[in-house]
Amino acid sequence: DQQVKQNSPSLSVQEGRISILNCDYTNSMFDYFLWYKKYPAEGPTFLISISSIKDKNEDGRFTVFLNKSAKHLSLHIVPSQPGDSAVYFCAGYGNKLVFGAGTILRVKS
Amino acid sequence: EPEVTQTPSHQVTQMGQEVILRCVPISNHLYFYWYRQILGQKVEFLVSFYNNEISEKSEIFDDQFSVERPDGSNFTLKIRSTKLEDSAMYFCASTQGVFSYEQYFGPGTRLTVT
Repeated sequence: DQQVKQNSPSLSVQEGRISILNCDYTNSMFDYFLWYKKYPAEGPTFLISISSIKDKNEDGRFTVFLNKSAKHLSLHIVPSQPGDSAVYFCAGYGNKLVFGAGTILRVKS
Repeated sequence: EPEVTQTPSHQVTQMGQEVILRCVPISNHLYFYWYRQILGQKVEFLVSFYNNEISEKSEIFDDQFSVERPDGSNFTLKIRSTKLEDSAMYFCASTQGVFSYEQYFGPGTRLTVT
């Protein structure tokens, strides 16, 4: 089951620069897409979402872009901070959350 | 800030034994979920629960699994006869229901089956 794919297992970014995390999906029935952040020994924490009828949603330093024709979404973090270092999961929601495999983000100070 | 809590944080059990994983969802939430994450793999949906009934379950959630809301606060996942492949992190989540895609997760229970 590869409905949601995060092809980059890890990303390393300098503090203050932009982090771009990418996600592809195959299921056109998703109504929403979400990004969750996860620290070790904790559960996933909801970060930001976007409706399938929108192409952008912004919340502070976090912006999610949705390209429906390409079935692609991305999370931009600007500026990146060391505290942003975590695993980021992309998820699609139809009637349940379907997660990608996650991308480890390391923000270097 | 209200949060989802789970107990125990780590459970070790022998193959074939029954385990019960416990969760206390956020108090005004109406929808409850269990997910699992096998080491190195994706977080996978197991089951959703609303109004004292299972509303959706995955193919992973077979007859060995059951869920219950025994009182007004707890939400439990029971595995009747554990197998080695049940070893995983189990996450409980809850949501108010209005925006049921924004789910709030507990810290997880690490289940180790030996």
